[in-house]
Amino acid sequence: AQSVTQLGSHISVSEGALVLLRCNYSSSVPPYLFWYVQYPNQGLQLLLKYTSAATLVKGINGFEAEFKKSETSFHLTKPSAHMSDAAEYFCAVSDLGEGSQGNLIFGKGTKLSVKP
Amino acid sequence: GAVVSQHPSWVICKSGTSVKIECRSLDFQATTMFWYRQFPKQSLMLMATSNEGSKATYEQGVEKDKFLINHASLTLSTLTVTSAHPEDSSFYICSASASGFYGYTFGSGTRLTVV
Repeated sequence: AQSVTQLGSHISVSEGALVLLRCNYSSSVPPYLFWYVQYPNQGLQLLLKYTSAATLVKGINGFEAEFKKSETSFHLTKPSAHMSDAAEYFCAVSDLGEGSQGNLIFGKGTKLSVKP
Repeated sequence: GAVVSQHPSWVICKSGTSVKIECRSLDFQATTMFWYRQFPKQSLMLMATSNEGSKATYEQGVEKDKFLINHASLTLSTLTVTSAHPEDSSFYICSASASGFYGYTFGSGTRLTVV
């Protein structure tokens, strides 16, 4: 069965600093991986997704993530944090792989705080 | 881009009453819809998966008679919380996906408070 582990339930960075949110997955099939952002009392917005194409995926708002099969990781990064990046971030894996419409399995989330 | 509209965004109801939450795909046909529940400061818990025209598939531990899901058309799914109790208070989020498009679009969520 698929699973996702996000290291660090709460991360705090200074404005302008590097953002690194860690995500490790387990999957018995080639995974589809996603990063979502959630602002308070709102739904989830897709930041980026890996669907077996390029291993370095660029998303919105300057975020990117690199799929590393050998490390079963899909860490999210942003070179320079902005105050508006403060939110909850969820990593997710699809449980049925390519060509299917399986449901998403979410990590527990990482709350990102950005200090001025 | 794909847009999913979820209404209401928040609702307060009395114990014992029923509440209906709607999830609409505005610019695509959603062959599959997912309903999630999110407790404060926690991740999303999948409640059920529904395909248009079929009965929903509920996750283990989710009461199907309490959380009624209807997916009668390719653009609309509803979640009805029947005989709501305070422990049903939560944030409910829907998500829709379409065949041939590998992605999920989320609604903006519904904050349910049962008093």
